[in-house]
Amino acid sequence: KAGVTQTPRYLIKTRGQQVTLSCSPISGHRSVSWYQQTPGQGLQFLFEYFSETQRNKGNFPGRFSGRQFSNSRSEMNVSTLELGDSALYLCASSFGTGENSPLHFGNGTRLTVT
Amino acid sequence: AQTVTQSQPEMSVQEAETVTLSCTYDTSENNYYLFWYKQPPSRQMILVIRQEAYKQQNATENRFSVNFQKAAKSFSLKISDSQLGDTAMYFCAFGEYGNKLVFGAGTILRVKS
Repeated sequence: KAGVTQTPRYLIKTRGQQVTLSCSPISGHRSVSWYQQTPGQGLQFLFEYFSETQRNKGNFPGRFSGRQFSNSRSEMNVSTLELGDSALYLCASSFGTGENSPLHFGNGTRLTVT
Repeated sequence: AQTVTQSQPEMSVQEAETVTLSCTYDTSENNYYLFWYKQPPSRQMILVIRQEAYKQQNATENRFSVNFQKAAKSFSLKISDSQLGDTAMYFCAFGEYGNKLVFGAGTILRVKS
């Protein structure tokens, strides 16, 4: 079974631009979550989608948004990029949600904002 | 708000020996779940072990086991017979609702030959 696939693996953008990251979950998984990982703040939850609906949202500004398609694939978008948005963005999928549906992570997208 | 604290930024252990990574958390909830994830240099987060708060029995997965002390809000990970492939960053994580996990800062574990 293929794992969680995130594209692209690396991305370089300049301040003010916007970016879209993609995540394909494991086949059959309906929940997709996004996390931001930085050296200073560690791993922080961005949002979770389940069956195309946002179930939960972390404490990030509105510049961060996401969506989930009917095939469970998900995208996250960051508009008006700031230097502080440079991070590893991790996507995780699970069959359901909660303790009985452990998260399976992708390899992440490394975003660098210059 | 829930917080997770990993007080050991770095640890090292000799191959074949046992090492324990510490984790404490803070919550006012009674039902929740806890995880240990490892992140090797490849960046992919891998689930090591999980524990439901309502279960008193400590979880075990092969060489990995936890010591879950609910009253003390402590959730340590013991790795037995350490292997070179165990070298990674280890994260303790707390979950209460859905897949919104709160992670600790991580502990870098180096296994030496």
